Amino acid sequence: NAGVTQTPKFQVLKTGQSMTLQCAQDMNHNSMYWYRQDPGMGLRLIYYSASEGTTDKGEVPNGYNVSRLNKREFSLRLESAAPSQTSVYFCASSLDRQQETQYFGPGTRLLVL
Amino acid sequence: EDQVTQSPEALRLQEGESSSLNCSYTVSGLRGLFWYRQDPGKGPEFLFTLYSAGEEKEKERLKATLTKKESFLHITAPKPEDSATYLCAFTNSGYSTLTFGKGTMLLVSP
Repeated sequence: NAGVTQTPKFQVLKTGQSMTLQCAQDMNHNSMYWYRQDPGMGLRLIYYSASEGTTDKGEVPNGYNVSRLNKREFSLRLESAAPSQTSVYFCASSLDRQQETQYFGPGTRLLVL
Repeated sequence: EDQVTQSPEALRLQEGESSSLNCSYTVSGLRGLFWYRQDPGKGPEFLFTLYSAGEEKEKERLKATLTKKESFLHITAPKPEDSATYLCAFTNSGYSTLTFGKGTMLLVSP
């Protein structure tokens, strides 16, 4: 099992460009999450999907959109990137909301110039 | 407001020098307290979940404990490979999503 995979590993964008971060899990988990991690701020939840077909905002959703494509895949889209979105983005999954242990992917490092 | 505070921010130990990391929480109805390990450039790796005061869990040189206000991660006779950032997180009784502390960066020198 690969667990949680993320693509790309690293990306450089110019202000105003758009991009989609991809996440997939092969653990048959129902719930998936997107976080960002910034120095001194810790991990902050952007969006989550408790189950296929549902998405909800987390702590810092502004400037982002998500799509739960199917049970395995959960993508994060930046429509118009800003320097404040320079961060490391992590995807995670858990069996469901009640089984809360989350398993994380390796991260995508995003630099917005 | 529910929150979690980790201390110290950074800790340097000599190999074999045991110590503890602290996670203090203020949560209205704690459901679970989680510990993760994060190596540089990688995603967090799950270590433990604790659910009730008095609970303890162990894995190799690590032992996590929980009281009504704090959780401790005890590291016994650490090795350089234990160097990492250790993250504490919680969920509350409203089935909230994980809320993370800022972490403790541990460096173990040979």
